[in-house]
Parts: sequence; structure tokens; C-alpha cells
Amino acid sequence: GQQLNQSPQSMFIQEGEDVSMNCTSSSIFNTWLWYKQEPGEGPVLLIALYKAGELTSNGRLTAQFGITRKDSFLNISASIPSDVGIYFCAGQLGGTSYGKLTFGQGTILTVHP
Amino acid sequence: GAVVSQHPSRVICKSGTSVKIECRSLDFQATTMFWYRQFPKKSLMLMATSNEGSKATYEQGVEKDKFLINHASLTLSTLTVTSAHPEDSSFYICSARGVVGPQREDYGYTFGSGTRLTVV
Repeated sequence: GQQLNQSPQSMFIQEGEDVSMNCTSSSIFNTWLWYKQEPGEGPVLLIALYKAGELTSNGRLTAQFGITRKDSFLNISASIPSDVGIYFCAGQLGGTSYGKLTFGQGTILTVHP
Repeated sequence: GAVVSQHPSRVICKSGTSVKIECRSLDFQATTMFWYRQFPKKSLMLMATSNEGSKATYEQGVEKDKFLINHASLTLSTLTVTSAHPEDSSFYICSARGVVGPQREDYGYTFGSGTRLTVV
């Protein structure tokens, strides 16, 4: 089936540093979503992208929908300790309005104070 | 915003018993619900997709007789793990997608808070 390759798998950074992670696929997606998951909780939506080339910000977070529709990145600026968690990209294929999501493998983010 | 309530958050059961997990959309109509399984520090693995009033569609390799899914109403879906065994221990998460308002605006995907199942 379709796969999303997410990298890096993990990041250890100092508070205040910027973070960048990305997802690529061999398939074209109609929608890209970025989620954050904390231990023992379900994923929480951070940013949703619906158009190729779209660049969207949510506070310190910025994400872009690649022009080829096969990739997306998420940037976090000026990281803080509460940014710790697992970040997942997810893509929805076209053709079905209520289609299922394909998830990346996740990026584990650790922020040292 | 959209809220999906999932219960219980944690459950411990004996091997051979069945466990039911509920997923409710609190403020929107969930026309489609998705059930995922997640292992520690791993990604979400889709188990099945259910549409209200119809049978669930299971992903390849997921036993439909073991993981019973019911989506009887637009606000409730349940996952029952039948005859649970230790290898069924995992984190199970539901996700709902639906519409809201008179214009049936797409509400996107909202996840429940997950259920930690431990089978002993």
C-alpha cells in the first residue's frame, strides 16, 4: 500500500532551536495533515494543508504542501520544552471525500531546557 | 471544535474475555469512523473503517471476527476485542470524520484520546 517516509525518526535539540521534519511519498496526496501525539493520548491536529504549494502557519509552526503533492514539511521555530512529543504526517489520497489516512512513521522530538 | 470521546482510557482484562471500547463524536455527526492500533513509539496502523449503518471494512491482515466494529449511529462506534489474548495488548485509537452545521461543512478528522488495553 501507500507509504509515507517521514524523517528524521528522532531529534534531540536545545530549547530555542528551530526544528524541521518532512514527509515524502511516491503517491500523490490531496491532503496533508500534521499531528502531534503525547504519551497516552491520541493525535492532535496541528496543521491541515489542502492545496499544492500551500504554506500555512499556526503560531510557531509552519507547514507546506509540496508542489508535486508528494511531500510536505513541518517547521517549529524557537522550540520550547512543551513541544516534546511524537509528530506524525498523514496524507489522504484523492477520489474519496471520506478517505482513510496514511501515516508517516513519526518523528520523536526531545527538547532539552 | 470537534470532540471525540473514547472510553475507557485504560482497561486490563483476563485472557479469553472480551473488551468493548466506545468512541463518541460529541458535537458533530461522524459519518465515518476509523479504528487504529498503535505499538509503543510506532505509527498508527489502520485496522478498519466504518460508515454509519453499514458493515466495517477491514484492512488486510485484521481479523474481523476478533475485532468487531459496530457503527450503529452517527455519534457512536464501538470496537470489541473478542477472546482477548496478551498479543492483543496495545493502544487503540478511534478517529471520526463527519460534517457539521446546516451546510454540512466537512469537519475533517478528529481523534479520540485512545485506550490502553492490557491482557493478562
